[in-house]
Amino acid sequence: GAVVSQHPSRVICKSGTSVKIECRSLDFQATTMFWYRQFPKQSLMLMATSNEGSKATYEQGVEKDKFLINHASLTLSTLTVTSAHPEDSSFYICSARDATSGGFDEQYFGPGTRLTVT
Amino acid sequence: GQNIDQPTEMTATEGAIVQINCTYQTSGFNGLFWYQQHAGEAPTFLSYNVLDGLEEKGRFSSFLSRSKGYSYLLLKELQMKDSASYLCAVMDSNYQLIWGAGTKLIIKP
Repeated sequence: GAVVSQHPSRVICKSGTSVKIECRSLDFQATTMFWYRQFPKQSLMLMATSNEGSKATYEQGVEKDKFLINHASLTLSTLTVTSAHPEDSSFYICSARDATSGGFDEQYFGPGTRLTVT
Repeated sequence: GQNIDQPTEMTATEGAIVQINCTYQTSGFNGLFWYQQHAGEAPTFLSYNVLDGLEEKGRFSSFLSRSKGYSYLLLKELQMKDSASYLCAVMDSNYQLIWGAGTKLIIKP
């Protein structure tokens, strides 16, 4: 099956610094990638939709200048949390849609990145 | 607005059967997904329904009624490893997934 990787799996950073999270589709081309955030005991919250070669579409309430998304190739999207604050501590998950699958529009999830801001 | 409802928590016994319900109200419908999520891990795909009826896959089955805006996930022969959260998600007319809050399933021996 399709595999999506994320790096790093865990990161601890100091308040005010920036953190970059990478999401890669390993064995398929992903024209669209999605970034989610999940707080403890809550469901996934879509942050933004990232299309290769174009600007990301952010959900209402998500600051695009704080959460920078770049989708420069068909296999890589990055999320940079700028000027991180403790309230940004969360589980960040990416998913990718295989546009060539020919089947239903399944999203393949990465393993997630646990961000802790101290 | 768009809304997905599922129970917050359910408890069942090892070896038994459990049904997790999901009702939805969305802008359009392009399929309903069930995902399993263990604590601290990303969701993993379980099933997809786009037409009415029952889809069976081993110990897991998923049912859909589009007219009622209703789905359920049926888990048979429960095992301890089935303890997890089960997420219902509907793909709307914009092909975006709308997520339910998840049902935490607790399996007791």
